Amino acid sequence: AQTVTQSQPEMSVQEAETVTLSCTYDTSESNYYLFWYKQPPSRQMILVIRQEAYKQQNATENRFSVNFQKAAKSFSLKISDSQLGDTAMYFCAFMKGGNAGNMLTFGGGTRLMVKP
Amino acid sequence: EADIYQTPRYLVIGTGKKITLECSQTMGHDKMYWYQQDPGMELHLIHYSYGVNSTEKGDLSSESTVSRIRTEHFPLTLESARPSHTSQYLCASSDTRGFASGQETQYFGPGTRLLVL
Repeated sequence: AQTVTQSQPEMSVQEAETVTLSCTYDTSESNYYLFWYKQPPSRQMILVIRQEAYKQQNATENRFSVNFQKAAKSFSLKISDSQLGDTAMYFCAFMKGGNAGNMLTFGGGTRLMVKP
Repeated sequence: EADIYQTPRYLVIGTGKKITLECSQTMGHDKMYWYQQDPGMELHLIHYSYGVNSTEKGDLSSESTVSRIRTEHFPLTLESARPSHTSQYLCASSDTRGFASGQETQYFGPGTRLLVL
């Protein structure tokens, strides 16, 4: 079974600054995918960024980037130029690759507050 | 935002009542999911469906049941609600046809907050 751990229950950052959210996972799989999801207050959860484990290059999506350290089983999310709209719960998630059924295993979440 | 809808958004109900949480998606997605999420906590998969007439139990044991008679509709039913069922229930869907695992995106509904008194 896979486990996903987010060690920072809450974080805050000043607007326009950079913040990094931590995530570690445990698996014996070699083929898998990692995700960061964002859940704004009272709004729908949306996918922020996806990383394929077989790719060495870190994924980036505009102001969002990841630091994927496969050997250390670490998958942190960096948010640059933080905006007030980034205030949300952020969930790290794991999915086995292949025909494994497309199941997501979520971490406990990090509540991020962006302050003006 | 994704075309996936949940009703009701909020429900307060007494113990012992039967309830059905509705979930519909208009994207033609084959796979649908139900997650349970306590406030500020992680999501736990309780049910999923590969397609019409397919239902499977997830990682977290749940007293709820689901059905998938139509592609776009995946309701969740609690025959007799109890206070321990108080939680948020999130529905999601994804298009897995033609994708290897991990390549598709799960789209989430807005959730139903359930309070059982």
